[in-house]
Amino acid sequence: AQSVTQLGSHVSVSEGALVLLRCNYSSSVPPYLFWYVQYPNQGLQLLLKYTSAATLVKGINGFEAEFKKSETSFHLTKPSAHMSDAAEYFCAVSDATRGGADGLTFGKGTHLIIQP
Amino acid sequence: EAGVAQSPRYKIIEKRQSVAFWCNPISGHATLYWYQQILGQGPKLLIQFQNNGVVDDSQLPKDRFSAERLKGVDSTLKIQPAKLEDSAVYLCASSFLPGQGNNEQFFGPGTRLTVL
Repeated sequence: AQSVTQLGSHVSVSEGALVLLRCNYSSSVPPYLFWYVQYPNQGLQLLLKYTSAATLVKGINGFEAEFKKSETSFHLTKPSAHMSDAAEYFCAVSDATRGGADGLTFGKGTHLIIQP
Repeated sequence: EAGVAQSPRYKIIEKRQSVAFWCNPISGHATLYWYQQILGQGPKLLIQFQNNGVVDDSQLPKDRFSAERLKGVDSTLKIQPAKLEDSAVYLCASSFLPGQGNNEQFFGPGTRLTVL
């Protein structure tokens, strides 16, 4: 069984400040890990994914995440927040032993608020 | 390239009525997923198809929900009869088969269902 915990349902940062969104996973098998972003009334867009290659993953819009097996974490960061980053962010996991073909298990999401 | 299409975008019904949602995946994507996203939560997988066969429907409430993908392309998700707790956004996603591509899941904009 797999699960994802996102710490903080809401995170508020100032424009230009560091963004840090936390994700911890639980998985009995090697996982693939994903971060998705969802803007109001839109579907989910993939930001980045970890598929057992490099542990530091770079994604779109300046986001990156680091897979830390010892901490079972996959936190999302961005050095400088922009107003357009305001959205809902979801961490998700799937079973790597099946090539990531399974459906995703999502966390509850973190609402990112950017203060001007 | 066209994305995942879903219709309708919004639907309001009364409890005990029936409703159907339609999804057209990205051309060439053999795998199709339906997710349910209740307000304030992450998406939850309801059913996964590969071509027109069901791979995983373990979280589908089969007493009221049904889904089909008759020709391995479009899919329909039906609820009959609807309950208040079915109010949610229903997301459709599609991907290539494992080994055919990077198996990233692409999401449609969703159908927002309100049950009164």
